[in-house]
Amino acid sequence: NAGVTQTPKFQVLKTGQSMTLQCAQDMNHEYMSWYRQDPGMGLRLIHYSVGAGITDQGEVPNGYNVSRSTTEDFPLRLLSAAPSQTSVYFCASNSGKKPTDTQYFGPGTRLTVL
Amino acid sequence: TQLLEQSPQFLSIQEGENLTVYCNSSSVFSSLQWYRQEPGEGPVLLVTVVTGGEVKKLKRLTFQFGDARKDSSLHITAAQPGDTGLYLCAGARSGGSNYKLTFGKGTLLTVNP
Repeated sequence: NAGVTQTPKFQVLKTGQSMTLQCAQDMNHEYMSWYRQDPGMGLRLIHYSVGAGITDQGEVPNGYNVSRSTTEDFPLRLLSAAPSQTSVYFCASNSGKKPTDTQYFGPGTRLTVL
Repeated sequence: TQLLEQSPQFLSIQEGENLTVYCNSSSVFSSLQWYRQEPGEGPVLLVTVVTGGEVKKLKRLTFQFGDARKDSSLHITAAQPGDTGLYLCAGARSGGSNYKLTFGKGTLLTVNP
């Protein structure tokens, strides 16, 4: 098992550009989520999904879109990048349907918006 | 509003010392998790506590969930350089499948040889 994979590992964008951060897991997990991590801010939830076809907003959803067409993939789209979106983005999947189940994080995507 | 406050924010100690880091909230959580994150990597789950007053041990690490399920602590005995990292606590306020995890800002621990 590869676990949770994220691509790309690094990305530089110009303000106004769009891009998709990819996330995939091969553990057949239903619950997946996206976080951003900024210095001094900890991890903040952007969007999450409890299964294919179901998504919901987290704490900081503005400027981001998600979709979940398959169990394996949960891409995060930046529609028009802004410098405030410079951050490290982590995708995670949960082994069960409860918050007490183990959550696995990907290695992260480091995004810089100029 | 930061629901989970972690303290201290930074901690630098010598190998062999003991330490405790704290995770506090005014809200009740159905469960609380502790993670360790190393530079350039994603967080890795260390433990989950669900019952008020619960104590769990993982080798030299001892985790405690407060009786009222509003706070938690992590105690490390005889710290080693390999314990260096960012320690994050995360709480869930729902036990159901439609839950959201709230993370604290973390405690950055450095253990010097």
